[in-house]
Amino acid sequence: EVQLLESGGALVQPGGSLRLSCEASGFTFGNYAMGWVRQAPGKGLEWVSSISVSGGRIYYADSVKGRFTIFRDNSKNTLYLQMNSLSAGDTAVYYCAKANNSWVFDYWGQGTLVTVSP
Amino acid sequence: DIQMTQSPFSVSASVGDRVIITCRASQGISSWLAWYQQKPGKAPKVLIYAASSLESGVPSRFSGSGSGTDFTLTISSLQPEDFATYYCQQANSFPLTFGGGTKVEIK
Repeated sequence: EVQLLESGGALVQPGGSLRLSCEASGFTFGNYAMGWVRQAPGKGLEWVSSISVSGGRIYYADSVKGRFTIFRDNSKNTLYLQMNSLSAGDTAVYYCAKANNSWVFDYWGQGTLVTVSP
Repeated sequence: DIQMTQSPFSVSASVGDRVIITCRASQGISSWLAWYQQKPGKAPKVLIYAASSLESGVPSRFSGSGSGTDFTLTISSLQPEDFATYYCQQANSFPLTFGGGTKVEIK
């Protein structure tokens, strides 16, 4: 059974940093691209970032480019999202998701809440 | 960036009704489109990928069609467990983009 377990969400002050982790199990992590999608309270889905199997191809939404860094450790079956210079607009539930071979997200974690507030 | 526009914003329907949700891309995306279902407090779940391919385990009352810029998700006979919000997503190019969502509510 595919499982994606996010952690690291917290209350953080504006300008602060946070690192999210997503531990994967139930599939060969190193064979699949991965991504992060977020959802602000009461709002729709917003794609944040995606990373290829080896990490050689990385993509970001303009809203996070230069502030967020996605990376993965295939030896630990773990995906990460380093978030810097956080602002209120980054407040959201962050989902880790496994991509199929066409950048569609076929499995999702339960989400972790990031709240940016003074 | 490719903009994805869904309609309607919400729909009220009864059990057994046929429901159609549309998604329009601001430029052609071939068949690189997926549909997701999200229930309150839960993660999204993929229903359809490649515009018309049914994800494994998804009931056959869900179907997708379209290519280029215009796509539809059809629920042939609405069931109680189908009341949720539905999103389309283009997978043609980065940045990946989602539609604004369509909430299917009980009439």
